[in-house]
Parts: sequence; C-alpha cells; structure tokens
Amino acid sequence: GAVVSQHPSWVICKSGTSVKIECRSLDFQATTMFWYRQFPKQSLMLMATSNEGSKATYEQGVEKDKFLINHASLTLSTLTVTSAHPEDSSFYICSALLAGTDLNQPQHFGDGTRLSIL
Amino acid sequence: GQQVMQIPQYQHVQEGEDFTTYCNSSTTLSNIQWYKQRPGGHPVFLIQLVKSGEVKKQKRLTFQFGEAKKNSSLHITATQTTDVGTYFCAGNFGNEKLTFGTGTRLTIIP
Repeated sequence: GAVVSQHPSWVICKSGTSVKIECRSLDFQATTMFWYRQFPKQSLMLMATSNEGSKATYEQGVEKDKFLINHASLTLSTLTVTSAHPEDSSFYICSALLAGTDLNQPQHFGDGTRLSIL
Repeated sequence: GQQVMQIPQYQHVQEGEDFTTYCNSSTTLSNIQWYKQRPGGHPVFLIQLVKSGEVKKQKRLTFQFGEAKKNSSLHITATQTTDVGTYFCAGNFGNEKLTFGTGTRLTIIP
C-alpha cells in the first residue's frame, strides 16, 4: 500500500519551455504532499509543501511564480516549472502524507522526475 | 536554519564488512526517520524512531536514537551488494517539516 506515482519520469526540453510534473497517491488520500529537488550527489531539499484546497507553502529562496504548485484533489498535486532554464535541471521528487496524519509521520515518495533543460 | 548532519559522506566497504552511518542535530528532534535511496531511485522509508534511547532492528540493520534525541545511527552487519545506496536520516524539529540529513553514500566492493 501507500503507492505514489510521479509522471513523467524523464523530461528533456528546450530552454524557455514550461514543464508540468504530476504526483498521484494511488491507493490513499493525501491532504499534504511535498515537492523536493535533489542535485547530483546531494541531499533532498524541500521546495514547497502542497496542501489540498489551499495555497502551497514555499521554502525560503524558492520562487513561487516559477514553481507553480496545484493540489486540487486529495490524490493529485502538480508542479509546473515555468520558463525552465538549464539551471533548473535537477531531480524533482514528490512525497505524500496519509490524510489525517501529522508532519511527523513517514512520507511516501514518488519515483521522481529527471528534468534536463537544454 | 536547523540542520541535520551525517558522517561519513562516503563509505566504501568490502562485502561482508560492517557499516555505520551517524546522524547529528544541534537541537532536539521529535523523531528520526531513515530512508534508503538506491542509485537512480527515490528514497524508500526504512524506519522511524520516536523514543529517547530507542533501538530497533530489521534483519542486519540496527537503528539507534540517542538519549538526548539529537543523534542517531544506522549499523549494517555483514554488508551485501544489495545494501548499495545512499542512506539518509531525516528528522522533525517539533511539529515542523521533515529535514533530511546530508546522506551517506555506501558502495560495496565485491
């Protein structure tokens, strides 16, 4: 149980393109989802916390207008990287918390999306 | 901001040898979680420790949470090639978001 699906798994696109990444909880409802970014050989850095039906909470230094997050249902959150540039190339990973649980509970991670901007 | 550090950053061991990674925080954690990320993969939850001084075992893996709830360790006995990956500790400071440690990358020499 507790499967999180992330799509697409790999994206290669030209500079200036906007890219949308989907994160779905397949067998549970998630009121809270998280979006992380991971550069090669580094740790996971939280970008934002996505709450169903409300605005996302962004971490310091993350541009909310560049990384648009929508969490319209209990099973889907999307991250759109707008006007992507080569420096946005990274591994983006989402995770989800089972609805009704607090931030101290284990997170269930998607497979991640490798984004390469040419 | 609050940080969680891990040492060592890298560890190369001969297959069959033991491996330990240490996790340290400057302030008290409400809980510690451990995740494993295989090369090219995503983090997979291993275990959560909540109580001061808690010790949990999963087959060859032993997890400890310090008495002061500021440090933790993961020990693997008799490593196998399937243990390859990066091990992250992650902790919550109170009810705040999960903060990931810097990770320890384990490679196994067959």
